[in-house]
Amino acid sequence: GAVVSQHPSRVICKSGTSVKIECRSLDFQATTMFWYRQFPKQSLMLMATSNEGSKATYEQGVEKDKFLINHASLTLSTLTVTSAHPEDSSFYICSAPPQGGPEKLFFGSGTQLSVL
Amino acid sequence: LAKTTQPISMDSYEGQEVNITCSHNNIATNDYITWYQQFPSQGPRFIIQGYKTKVTNEVASLFIPADRKSSTLSLPRVSLSDTAVYYCLVAGRGGNKLVFGAGTILRVKS
Repeated sequence: GAVVSQHPSRVICKSGTSVKIECRSLDFQATTMFWYRQFPKQSLMLMATSNEGSKATYEQGVEKDKFLINHASLTLSTLTVTSAHPEDSSFYICSAPPQGGPEKLFFGSGTQLSVL
Repeated sequence: LAKTTQPISMDSYEGQEVNITCSHNNIATNDYITWYQQFPSQGPRFIIQGYKTKVTNEVASLFIPADRKSSTLSLPRVSLSDTAVYYCLVAGRGGNKLVFGAGTILRVKS
């Protein structure tokens, strides 16, 4: 089946630093990728839709200047958490739909971000 | 986007069949029903997808009545490793974003 690779799996950083998370579709092209955030014992919350070659679409309440998304190629999307603070600590997950069929997402393994 | 409603949690024992029902009263004509499984600190994993009637694969079955306003995920003979959160989602084709509901926490006991 389709594989989505997410890196890194875990990152610990100091408050004020920026962290970049990569999401790659390994065996298919993805013009669209989705970024989710998940707090402990809660469901996934959609943050933004990453569009290859154009600007990302952010969900209401998500700061686009804080969560920078770049979809530079058909197989790579990146999420950069800028000037991270402890409240940004969360589990970030990317996903991508293989083209040509009903909406079925393949998810990355997630990135646990801990901001000290 | 069709809203889904699932039980918050379910308990079962090893070897039993587990059925998790999801309500989606405002499902659209072109929407498909998809179930995902998530373990702690992992991304969700696709389980099964269907449009109507019954779909079966190597891990589960999905039952969808004629009105498509609900669906039931059936897990045969669960084991401890099936303890996870199960999400039901409905969406159509073409890059529609998927919005997750609360999901169902399934706890399998020995």
